[in-house]
Amino acid sequence: EVQLLESGGGLVQPGGSLRLSCAASGFTFSTSDMDWVRQAPGKGLEWVSHITDTSDTMYYADSVKGRFTISRDNAKNSLYLQMHSLRDEDTAVYYCARRVVPTGYAFDIWGQGTVVTVSS
Amino acid sequence: EIVLTQSPATLSLSPGERATLSCRASQSISRYLVWYQQRPGQAPRFLIYDASDRATGVPARFSGSGSGTDFTLTISSLEPEDFAVYYCQQRADWPLTFGGGTKVEIK
Repeated sequence: EVQLLESGGGLVQPGGSLRLSCAASGFTFSTSDMDWVRQAPGKGLEWVSHITDTSDTMYYADSVKGRFTISRDNAKNSLYLQMHSLRDEDTAVYYCARRVVPTGYAFDIWGQGTVVTVSS
Repeated sequence: EIVLTQSPATLSLSPGERATLSCRASQSISRYLVWYQQRPGQAPRFLIYDASDRATGVPARFSGSGSGTDFTLTISSLEPEDFAVYYCQQRADWPLTFGGGTKVEIK
């Protein structure tokens, strides 16, 4: 079964750090570009970060640039998001998602999400 | 940044009716437009890519059209499970952006 499973969310104080993980299964992770997308409570979707299959290129939304770092370990079929200097506005459900050429580079597979709450 | 504007914000319809959702881009994105469906408490579901190509397993009642700056998602006859929020997303340029969503609710 094709699956993405996020973990690592939780409650953190403003200024704190958190590392999210996303475990992939059922497809060839090492040839898939991957992204993080988030959704604040009651709000729409916001793209956060992208990493290519070989980790040679990463992109970030301006809202997280310099604070978040995306990475991956193809040997472990895992994607990561290291988050530092967290702010109240980073509170959201964080989804990992796959992007591959055959499906028009859309987010064709999504995880169930992990909740990050930034609050004192 | 490419801004995507979805309209209407809410669409109130009855099962069996036709739904027409709009997504307008602030600049031309060719056909690099994707549609997603999100039901309450669930992750988004991929529906349409490259403006008009249906994802595997998506029912034929869902269709997409458009190019350049104006795009449409049409649901030909609403089923009970289609009442949800729909988002468009562009992949023409970084940063990737989503529209604000259209909620299709039961009238």
